[in-house]
Amino acid sequence: ETGVTQSPTHLIKTRGQQVTLRCSSQSGHNTVSWYQQALGQGPQFIFQYYREEENGRGNFPPRFSGLQFPNYSSELNVNALELDDSALYLCASSPWAGESYEQYFGPGTRLTVT
Amino acid sequence: AQRVTQPEKLLSVFKGAPVELKCNYSYSGSPELFWYVQYSRQRLQLLLRHISRESIKGFTADLNKGETSFHLKKPFAQEEDSAMYYCALLPPLGAGSYQLTFGKGTKLSVIP
Repeated sequence: ETGVTQSPTHLIKTRGQQVTLRCSSQSGHNTVSWYQQALGQGPQFIFQYYREEENGRGNFPPRFSGLQFPNYSSELNVNALELDDSALYLCASSPWAGESYEQYFGPGTRLTVT
Repeated sequence: AQRVTQPEKLLSVFKGAPVELKCNYSYSGSPELFWYVQYSRQRLQLLLRHISRESIKGFTADLNKGETSFHLKKPFAQEEDSAMYYCALLPPLGAGSYQLTFGKGTKLSVIP
């Protein structure tokens, strides 16, 4: 059974740029959630995708967008990067949306915006 | 709005001492509550959920709806319990939201 993977591990971007983060869900899981974890904070829910559709969104502006593909992998896109977007971005998958409590987390992507 | 509060950023206890990590929540309804744990250099993982009423690695947590609390307890701390602990809340199935809300976390340090 393959766990959740994320790429890249780290990246550095300049304010105003755009970034795409990628996530492969655990085998058999059709639901992916994305979180932003700022330093010293808990993970903050960005949005969830279930069967390629957005299935809930946290308090993040529209410049945070996502996609889920037929193989249930997912992308998080952030446009017009701001300094406050610097954080660890976590992806988590679950067997289906109704079992969102048991989320299997990836290692995260550390984004630094300068 | 749903909110989870963990009042302690850091908790240090001696090995063999009891541990209690505090968690309070705010939600108008009957949510599900969980504890997630992150050991050093490992991923965030589910430790336990209130519905299962299980004891995992010696930890238990009781949901107190009157006090809106879900404190995590262990009678005798072990060095391997040192980790970051996050309390999390999920609206009940049927509420139309699958948003898992985390607290800011408590770092537990067990002193040998």
